[in-house]
Amino acid sequence: VVTQEPSFSVSPGGTVTFTCGLSSGSVSTTFYPSWYRQTPGQAPRTLIYSTNTRSSGVPDRFSGSILGNKAALTIAGAQAEDECSYYCVLYMGSGIWVFGGGTKLTVL
Amino acid sequence: EVQVVESGGGLVKPGESLRLSCAASGFTYSTYSMDWVRQAPGKGLEWVSSISSSSTYIYYADSVKGRFTTSRDNAKNSLYLQMNSLRAEDTAVYYCARVAVRGVYFDLWGQGTLVTVSS
Repeated sequence: VVTQEPSFSVSPGGTVTFTCGLSSGSVSTTFYPSWYRQTPGQAPRTLIYSTNTRSSGVPDRFSGSILGNKAALTIAGAQAEDECSYYCVLYMGSGIWVFGGGTKLTVL
Repeated sequence: EVQVVESGGGLVKPGESLRLSCAASGFTYSTYSMDWVRQAPGKGLEWVSSISSSSTYIYYADSVKGRFTTSRDNAKNSLYLQMNSLRAEDTAVYYCARVAVRGVYFDLWGQGTLVTVSS
């Protein structure tokens, strides 16, 4: 099971870090963690792939990393438009992917 | 324009079947692996199935294995999901997603099609 914090709150201009872990084991780059954002009623949009590579057009306030035994997504200088849900997904090999449950970010 | 567009969703009764389609355009479809990802109402994303570019490899989540069949027609730039023995818990928006050629991630998503399984 891929774990994510269910919710997070950040003040405008603040920095927030979400994590993406495994219920048993550690997340490493070999899982090719990627991150997606989704607003209600819309399709997901790619943010970060291969742990720390920003997708085309993604602002540099978004960054990915491995922190300890988890993948992490950091938003530095959060903006009101960043309020949405964020999902990580890990590639388990052999064509199998597992999504985390998602983190709902509130900017207030 | 590079896009994928899903269709075929609707309301069906438990035990019935439905076939979803995903039409690709604006890119060389035959070179990409494609996946289905679903999202139940108010819930998170759930990976459903993967199919390699030439259909050699097809994988399914345990939750749909034996009931769903993924296929593709590269001549028609289309991806399909045949869903049989549908259950209430299959109710979801079904997204078609392209797997990047360089990198291991989903780099293109459709807008989704809603499947509702209810008596």
